[in-house]
Amino acid sequence: DAGVIQSPRHEVTEMGQEVTLRCKPISGHNSLFWYRQTMMRGLELLIYFNNNVPIDDSGMPEDRFSAKMPNASFSTLKIQPSEPRDSAVYFCASSFSEGIQPQHFGDGTRLSIL
Amino acid sequence: QKEVEQNSGPLSVPEGAIASLNCTYSDRGSQSFFWYRQYSGKSPELIMFIYSNGDKEDGRFTAQLNKASQYVSLLIRDSQPSDSATYLCAPRSGTYKYIFGTGTRLKVLA
Repeated sequence: DAGVIQSPRHEVTEMGQEVTLRCKPISGHNSLFWYRQTMMRGLELLIYFNNNVPIDDSGMPEDRFSAKMPNASFSTLKIQPSEPRDSAVYFCASSFSEGIQPQHFGDGTRLSIL
Repeated sequence: QKEVEQNSGPLSVPEGAIASLNCTYSDRGSQSFFWYRQYSGKSPELIMFIYSNGDKEDGRFTAQLNKASQYVSLLIRDSQPSDSATYLCAPRSGTYKYIFGTGTRLKVLA
């Protein structure tokens, strides 16, 4: 079975540019998570979707960040305008929402904002 | 106080020894507890989870949970160099709220 697929794997862009990260969850999973990982803060939940609906976006740092899930097989995380402090590894994860179902992580997008 | 506390390490153990990784958490509402392994430059992968007080064994791994003390641990028996990685503790509250610790870096010395 294909796992969670993220693209791009690496992104280097200049400050002020728009960045779009993409995620395809595991087929059949109805929960989707976007995380950001840095050395200082570890793995932080940015937003959680259940059945394509954003349930908890309290971790989204500011209005420059937005996320969408137009259908069960695709989600995007957008940063506009990007800033150097947004540099991090961004992970997408998916799971079933019922019961104790662990998350499965994608390979991540390593984002560098110059 | 951090929500999830883990010693950052590195924790160095010789090959074949038992590695003991510890985690304390602050949210008494946490109901299930997950351990993830993360190799450098890779994504977290699930090792095991536990939701009842006591021990849960899976191969060389044993998770231990004490909700009264808000403490969860992971033991790795017969440690191998391939176990060298960062181990993330993640209590979960409700149906989706995982709070990840910053992890303990384990080094198994051949």
